[in-house]
Amino acid sequence: AQTVTQSQPEMSVQEAETVTLSCTYDTSESDYYLFWYKQPPSRQMILVIRQEAYKQQNATENRFSVNFQKAAKSFSLKISDSQLGDAAMYFCAYYYGGATNKLIFGTGTLLAVQP
Amino acid sequence: EAGVAQSPRYKIIEKRQSVAFWCNPISGHATLYWYQQILGQGPKLLIQFQNNGVVDDSQLPKDRFSAERLKGVDSTLKIQPAKLEDSAVYLCASSSGLAGWSGTQYFGPGTRLTVL
Repeated sequence: AQTVTQSQPEMSVQEAETVTLSCTYDTSESDYYLFWYKQPPSRQMILVIRQEAYKQQNATENRFSVNFQKAAKSFSLKISDSQLGDAAMYFCAYYYGGATNKLIFGTGTLLAVQP
Repeated sequence: EAGVAQSPRYKIIEKRQSVAFWCNPISGHATLYWYQQILGQGPKLLIQFQNNGVVDDSQLPKDRFSAERLKGVDSTLKIQPAKLEDSAVYLCASSSGLAGWSGTQYFGPGTRLTVL
């Protein structure tokens, strides 16, 4: 069964610094999708970045980038130049459009940004 | 483009009462999802609709939870009777793709349910 593990329940970063959130997953599939979602205190889940497993190039969205290591089944999120508005719960998620057809979430990492 | 709308935002009920949540997905999105998010956990899929048909309801506690999407647009999730362990945030999401690949999911603000 597919699982997603986020081993850091909480992280803290200074404003303008860089932080990396870790995510590992388990799957026997070769074609799948990985996501990072952000959930601020208002509870609205927002897509941060998406990675297709068949693409070797790491996805990047402005200050957000991923380090996708397919063989290691690792998918970390790097936030550069951290801003106060980045403070939120971050969820790593896995999707495979096969029989399971589910978006499977990790337990989340709560990121605090210190001014 | 309007996002996923949900109501109410907050609901407090006594155990054994019933409650209903409403969701209106992004216009044109064929796939609609209901998730349950218990405090400190990631969201868990309860049910997935493709248009007005159910694709996956394997984790829906069918003895007390029901959901419908009669016209393939908005959806209602009902709990009857509620238990203390149903206290959670109920998230609705939608995506434009087919059931085989649903693409990126867009989430609503959620309904926070407290069962006393």
